[in-house]
Amino acid sequence: GAVVSQHPSRVICKSGTSVKIECRSLDFQATTMFWYRQFPKQSLMLMATSNEGSKATYEQGVEKDKFLINHASLTLSTLTVTSAHPEDSSFYICSADNREGLGYTFGSGTRLTVV
Amino acid sequence: GENVEQHPSTLSVQEGDSAVIKCTYSDSASNYFPWYKQELGKRPQLIIDIRSNVGEKKDQRIAVTLNKTAKHFSLHITETQPEDSAVYFCAASPYNQGGKLIFGQGTELSVKP
Repeated sequence: GAVVSQHPSRVICKSGTSVKIECRSLDFQATTMFWYRQFPKQSLMLMATSNEGSKATYEQGVEKDKFLINHASLTLSTLTVTSAHPEDSSFYICSADNREGLGYTFGSGTRLTVV
Repeated sequence: GENVEQHPSTLSVQEGDSAVIKCTYSDSASNYFPWYKQELGKRPQLIIDIRSNVGEKKDQRIAVTLNKTAKHFSLHITETQPEDSAVYFCAASPYNQGGKLIFGQGTELSVKP
């Protein structure tokens, strides 16, 4: 149980385009999901907290107009990187509280490369 | 806000030896402390966690200790095996902040056969 699916696993896009990443909780409902970014050989940095039915809460320094988050249902949160630039290339990963006392379950991550 | 410091950044041990990774946190109100193992290109996998009302927790070869007064917690891996080689992250969850996790910088553990 407590599976989080993330799609796509890899994406290459041209500079200036937008990319949407999906995060789904497959066997549980997640009112809250979290989006992290991880640069090579670095830690996971929290970008924002995604709340079902309300606006996301962004961490300091994260541009909310660039990283659009939508949490329209109890099982789906999306992160859209708008007007992507090469410096946005990173590993984006979501997580959700599985509410089974087992902590937070992570999605498989999305490797974004902007060329 | 919460800040988590993790040491060491790299750790090399011989197979069968023990490995210890230490983390400190700044927010005394944090109440949940998980440890994750991440292999290259993969998602972090929860290996053990501890809540603030417990001082120690053990699961086979893995144990975590928490000292709330000093605001530090440690991961102990005994009888290390080559498959334990990975990057390990500690994290802290600040109380009443929606359950978000603040991660330490990570420790790259290498277990040499």
